Amino acid sequence: AQTVTQSQPEMSVQEAETVTLSCTYDTSESNYYLFWYKQPPSRQMILVIRQEAYKQQNATENRFSVNFQKAAKSFSLKISDSQLGDTAMYFCAFMKQYFGNEKLTFGTGTRLTIIP
Amino acid sequence: DSGVTQTPKHLITATGQRVTLRCSPRSGDLSVYWYQQSLDQGLQFLIHYYNGEERAKGNILERFSAQQFPDLHSELNLSSLELGDSALYFCASSVVQGGSEQFFGPGTRLTVL
Repeated sequence: AQTVTQSQPEMSVQEAETVTLSCTYDTSESNYYLFWYKQPPSRQMILVIRQEAYKQQNATENRFSVNFQKAAKSFSLKISDSQLGDTAMYFCAFMKQYFGNEKLTFGTGTRLTIIP
Repeated sequence: DSGVTQTPKHLITATGQRVTLRCSPRSGDLSVYWYQQSLDQGLQFLIHYYNGEERAKGNILERFSAQQFPDLHSELNLSSLELGDSALYFCASSVVQGGSEQFFGPGTRLTVL
């Protein structure tokens, strides 16, 4: 079974600063996908960024980027030039690359607060 | 707006009752997933349907059941409700299987009193 661990329950950072959220996972699979989802106070789950395990290049989406270390089973999220709208819960999630079993396994989340 | 709709938004009911949560996936999406978010258990996968067929089950209680209809909307039925079933229930959809982004609905907040 896969497990996803987010060791930082809460973080806060000043607006415009850079923050890195940590995520580690445990799996025996070699092909899989990793995701970061954002859940603002509205409770809507929003995909932030996605990484295929077979790709060595780290994914980036505007101010969001990841540091994917496959051997270390680490998948951290870096938010640059943080904005007030980035205040949210952030969940790291794992998905096997397997037809018929595309469930997401989530970590416990990191509550990020951007301070004005 | 993800394009996934869920009704109702909020549901308050009593222990022992039965409720039905409804989900309409994005147009063209064949896969529907149900997740439960509670304070105790975090975000947990319940069940996955693909084009009307059950594909995978997670930690779904026997009191819970789901189905996906020919028009691809899905319903999650929760019966003999207990206080611990109080949670936010999400439906998500994706176009194809295998690593595709899952688009989440706004969720149904269930409160069991």
